[in-house]
Amino acid sequence: AQKVTQAQTEISVVEKEDVTLDCVYETRDTTYYLFWYKQPPSGELVFLIRRNSFDEQNEISGRYSWNFQKSTSSFNFTITASQVVDSAVYFCALSEATFRAGNNRKLIWGLGTSLAVNP
Amino acid sequence: KAGVTQTPRYLIKTRGQQVTLSCSPISGHRSVSWYQQTPGQGLQFLFEYFSETQRNKGNFPGRFSGRQFSNSRSEMNVSTLELGDSALYLCASSLASGLSSYEQYFGPGTRLTVT
Repeated sequence: AQKVTQAQTEISVVEKEDVTLDCVYETRDTTYYLFWYKQPPSGELVFLIRRNSFDEQNEISGRYSWNFQKSTSSFNFTITASQVVDSAVYFCALSEATFRAGNNRKLIWGLGTSLAVNP
Repeated sequence: KAGVTQTPRYLIKTRGQQVTLSCSPISGHRSVSWYQQTPGQGLQFLFEYFSETQRNKGNFPGRFSGRQFSNSRSEMNVSTLELGDSALYLCASSLASGLSSYEQYFGPGTRLTVT
């Protein structure tokens, strides 16, 4: 069964600290997609990154970086030199690419990690 | 380019009533998905529409239904409201159907409170 686990419910850091948000997933498929979304206090989910299962190359975008490791089924997200504006709930999500008759494809979400960055 | 818009933003209803929520996707996007977000259950997928057809469906009772119009705008309806339906309902649009590989763009949500 598909499952996404974000073990950290809440994290609190001081500005400029580095912080890593963990995401562990379960899937029976060899082809799948992983996503990270950010939900700031305003409520609107914002897409951050998409990674397919064949691309294990880590990605860096400014202060954000993602570490995808198939061997441990993890897709962790690191914010370097955190800022107050990074305060939000961060969601990891999984989608399987293989279509199975009678099975609806859907995006499976973790419960999110609430990050508070304090000045 | 305008983002995803949802109306209304806030709604208060009484048990047993029905409600209709509206979503206008980003121009050019043909897929619209609906999610229910609650503190206890997190984000749960309701259904996805593409070109006026329901393509994917989550595990929600038949009281939850939706439709999509030819201009890709979508509505979600909940009949016979229950207290447990109180939630933030999010709409997301994407270029294509399937959810698998396309990033979704979310609206601000409709906060529904059932009393």
